[in-house]
Amino acid sequence: SQTIHQWPATLVQPVGSPLSLECTVEGTSNPNLYWYRQAAGRGLQLLFYSVGIGQISSEVPQNLSASRPQDRQFILSSKKLLLSDSGFYLCAGGENYGYTFGSGTRLTVV
Amino acid sequence: ILNVEQSPQSLHVQEGDSTNFTCSFPSSNFYALHWYRWETAKSPEALFVMTLNGDEKKKGRISATLNTKEGYSYLYIKGSQPEDSATYLCASESMDSNYQLIWGAGTKLIIKP
Repeated sequence: SQTIHQWPATLVQPVGSPLSLECTVEGTSNPNLYWYRQAAGRGLQLLFYSVGIGQISSEVPQNLSASRPQDRQFILSSKKLLLSDSGFYLCAGGENYGYTFGSGTRLTVV
Repeated sequence: ILNVEQSPQSLHVQEGDSTNFTCSFPSSNFYALHWYRWETAKSPEALFVMTLNGDEKKKGRISATLNTKEGYSYLYIKGSQPEDSATYLCASESMDSNYQLIWGAGTKLIIKP
């Protein structure tokens, strides 16, 4: 089974600063990978998913971008953070009949 | 619009009592319904994946039922314990969602000792 590593656990960034969150996968090859965000009091919102290296699908228009430079690496980025980017970000890998999640990053934009 | 609704939003239950909560999902072109348990400061943990109408799954004191025709699933916890305190998420997977998971907002369960 796969393990998802995600870091950092918490991050406080000023408005207008760049962002890079990294997610790596262990225990499987060519996984489907996902970035989710949970805003306060809401469910998980799918931001991006990737079915392979260099393949990114965006689900919602936003200030963020994602890249998959390697099979087991999925990166969430922003050039200039907005206050509304604050939230809890989760990386997930798809397996047969379910997902495995990373431990999440709580991002606070100040 | 594909919407997954969970109710109630939060629930306080006395230790030892049994409880249940609901997940409503679009029944059209249904493929699977997922239940996850999410404790604070931890990753969501898969509880059940259910695909067949009438299916019932059990894991210890937690069980779930599925009605794909009317689009709902119940999660039951028997004899609640403090360690059951968590947010319980459900997610629907269908052909209409291109087999992506559509998540409910969760039910936050707090067990009072």
